[in-house]
Amino acid sequence: TQLLEQSPQFLSIQEGENLTVYCNSSSVFSSLQWYRQEPGEGPVLLVTVVTGGEVKKLKRLTFQFGDARKDSSLHITAAQPGDTGLYLCAGAPGGYQKVTFGTGTKLQVIP
Amino acid sequence: DAGVIQSPRHEVTEMGQEVTLRCKPISGHNSLFWYRQTMMRGLELLIYFNNNVPIDDSGMPEDRFSAKMPNASFSTLKIQPSEPRDSAVYFCASTQTGFGNQPQHFGDGTRLSIL
Repeated sequence: TQLLEQSPQFLSIQEGENLTVYCNSSSVFSSLQWYRQEPGEGPVLLVTVVTGGEVKKLKRLTFQFGDARKDSSLHITAAQPGDTGLYLCAGAPGGYQKVTFGTGTKLQVIP
Repeated sequence: DAGVIQSPRHEVTEMGQEVTLRCKPISGHNSLFWYRQTMMRGLELLIYFNNNVPIDDSGMPEDRFSAKMPNASFSTLKIQPSEPRDSAVYFCASTQTGFGNQPQHFGDGTRLSIL
């Protein structure tokens, strides 16, 4: 079983601060996704990264896939209350193999 | 376009009762996934189907759980008999092709409470 550990588990910050969430594994993934889940809803895809070392930006969110494709990070600049939610990474080993979801990081941004 | 539709949104029942959760995937998607989410264990894959055929059910906790996909637009997850430890939020998701890098589109989940 491929495990994806996320850190930190919980994060409470003030509006305007920066933060980084990490997603780590001992396994290699062909692609890695990041999702955000809000209370009472299902996870929603933010981004997919597929190349080692790849960096993708989505407004104030920056996603990076590790060179060895075993880890990833999500950096949020100037966090806003609307960023509050559960952030999940999900790794795909390749082909039709099932995706493994990470343990999750619960972010609270205080106005 | 309509997203993944799950019903019911909430279910409260007594232990021992049969529970049936329902899912309608996005039209044209040929892979469907059932997940369970709890605080302790996070988001766990229970089973997934490709072209209505179960591909991997290794995440199904025990024989009390069963899932079917009689056609491309409908799936059920059944628990019989239910137990308090089955209380969780159950999600259904669908993807276009089943390839691991495809976006998973989730429903809003069924919050199940077994008393």
